[in-house]
Amino acid sequence: KQEVTQIPAALSVPEGENLVLNCSFTDSAIYNLQWFRQDPGKGLTSLLLIQSSQREQTSGRLNASLDKSSGRSTLYIAASQPGDSATYLCAVGSSKAAGNKLTFGGGTRVLVKP
Amino acid sequence: DARVTQTPRDKVTEMGQEVTMRCQPILGHNTVFWYRQTMMQGLELLAYFRNRAPLDDSGMPKDRFSAEMPDATLATLKIQPSEPRDSAVYFCASAIQGAGDTQYFGPGTRLTVL
Repeated sequence: KQEVTQIPAALSVPEGENLVLNCSFTDSAIYNLQWFRQDPGKGLTSLLLIQSSQREQTSGRLNASLDKSSGRSTLYIAASQPGDSATYLCAVGSSKAAGNKLTFGGGTRVLVKP
Repeated sequence: DARVTQTPRDKVTEMGQEVTMRCQPILGHNTVFWYRQTMMQGLELLAYFRNRAPLDDSGMPKDRFSAEMPDATLATLKIQPSEPRDSAVYFCASAIQGAGDTQYFGPGTRLTVL
């Protein structure tokens, strides 16, 4: 059974500092990996999706890497802003045949202080 | 701007009552997922459908939960009878299988069972 872990559970940084969020998973036979953002009381917003054949994906200030062999993904957010304050969730997708069921980590709650 | 919509956004009910939650997936998406989020368990997959057919509902308590897709524009999740431990936020997500597989989440239904 796939298990996804995100450490730390919470992170506080001053504005302008780069953010590094970690995600680890136990079963390397994944279909893809997706990073989400969740604001308090809101739904999830997809940030980046990395296919199992890819090593990284980039979108603006966000960069996500994937190392299947070690069971790790890292989300980098450059030059953090107060608006980046939210909970970031990592989710690992199972096989395509299984419908890409997502297994979520517990999330990292980020606070960017002005 | 295509979005997943969910109704109701908030529901307060008494133990033993029937609860029905509705989801309208993004037009053209052929896969629909139901998730539940609690503080203790995080995000868990309850059930999902492809082309309106149920593929996996192993995450649902079968005796009280049921999920259906009466048509391509509507998915429902029903709880009968509801219990206080069902209190959670229920999310619906949709995706196009094989076209990136990014899952797009609705805003959620916050259920409180007294």
